[in-house]
Amino acid sequence: DQQVKQNSPSLSVQEGRISILNCDYTNSMFDYFLWYKKYPAEGPTFLISISSIKDKNEDGRFTVFLNKSAKHLSLHIVPSQPGDSAVYFCAASGGGYNKLIFGAGTRLAVHP
Amino acid sequence: NAGVTQTPKFQVLKTGQSMTLQCAQDMNHNSMYWYRQDPGMGLRLIYYSASEGTTDKGEVPNGYNVSRLNKREFSLRLESAAPSQTSVYFCASSTDGNSNYGYTFGSGTRLTVV
Repeated sequence: DQQVKQNSPSLSVQEGRISILNCDYTNSMFDYFLWYKKYPAEGPTFLISISSIKDKNEDGRFTVFLNKSAKHLSLHIVPSQPGDSAVYFCAASGGGYNKLIFGAGTRLAVHP
Repeated sequence: NAGVTQTPKFQVLKTGQSMTLQCAQDMNHNSMYWYRQDPGMGLRLIYYSASEGTTDKGEVPNGYNVSRLNKREFSLRLESAAPSQTSVYFCASSTDGNSNYGYTFGSGTRLTVV
């Protein structure tokens, strides 16, 4: 049973518009959430994270929103750029020294 | 550039063959991990090493063994490869095992077992 779910395998967005990537989780013990970005033939790279004590974290064009009651988080990219085209993984942990649990990923394509 | 280095980048094995995937990091990280990535499954943890001299099973350890050779190196061994082990393998490391700070990943090894 997947504890972290990304139900949209792919997303296509026009350049300059907003990209919204979604992630749901089932384990209420998760208290830290991360987003990773992966280009082909490369390893995932850390993008942004959020602690469960917050409901929003922003870093430039990237904002992550957390809704604990719904066990849902989302990554917003505004404005989207062609270089954002990649696979995005949501990850969660029980905090501290617990291992990261990853979702299946969403492939984002930003077209001109 | 500093980071996590994996070798080889590509490998084709016949069923039953054995091989070792190598991983080395030069960031003085204490913790290291092996993940596999499969379509629709995301990244799944195979084994991890919280510190030099220790190793533990992750979510999908069957068919694999690991060795934490020293602080820098963490290898993954397939003793008798099976087609189900066709996957992309990623090694990662972190400062002290605290997942809140995220992991640094290598560029992966694409393994095909025929």
